[in-house]
Amino acid sequence: AQSVTQLDSQVPVFEEAPVELRCNYSSSVSVYLFWYVQYPNQGLQLLLKYLSGSTLVESINGFEAEFNKSQTSFHLRKPSVHISDTAEYFCAVSAPSGGSYIPTFGRGTSLIVHP
Amino acid sequence: DAGVIQSPRHEVTEMGQEVTLRCKPISGHDYLFWYRQTMMRGLELLIYFNNNVPIDDSGMPEDRFSAKMPNASFSTLKIQPSEPRDSAVYFCASSHRGEQYFGPGTRLTVT
Repeated sequence: AQSVTQLDSQVPVFEEAPVELRCNYSSSVSVYLFWYVQYPNQGLQLLLKYLSGSTLVESINGFEAEFNKSQTSFHLRKPSVHISDTAEYFCAVSAPSGGSYIPTFGRGTSLIVHP
Repeated sequence: DAGVIQSPRHEVTEMGQEVTLRCKPISGHDYLFWYRQTMMRGLELLIYFNNNVPIDDSGMPEDRFSAKMPNASFSTLKIQPSEPRDSAVYFCASSHRGEQYFGPGTRLTVT
């Protein structure tokens, strides 16, 4: 079985400041890792993913996440946030097994960017 | 592709009524998921299908909930009878090889 822990339920930050949203997972097998973003009144959208290869993955809007196998973490970072980044962020882990890719989601972190 | 399509976007109904939520997944995706999201319980997986076959419905809260996928392009989630505690946003998502694509959700209010 796999699990995901998002350590912060809410992260307030000022505009243009850096931010880190923490995610730890547990799994007995190799995993795929994802970050999803949910803007108000919308569904979840994939922000970035780690499947294999380089442990540092980036999104088109400036977010990045690093897969750290020894610490079983996949923290999300952005060096300078904008008001428009205010949203709920979900970390998810999927352990491909027998062709099945069923994800487990964390409870989400609410990023609140203040002007 | 238009993405995952859900209907209706909003549903207000009275307790005891039947509610049917609809989902059209992305063409070619072999997995379909139904989730429920509330402030109290967060995002909950209700049931998922693989190639139109229900695989795991352990997240369905009660027998009042049922889901079907008669073909690769359509799924329904039915609640009968509905109760106020069923009020939530219901999401459908489809996927292929782990990456999920969510619909916009149906906001259900049961009075």
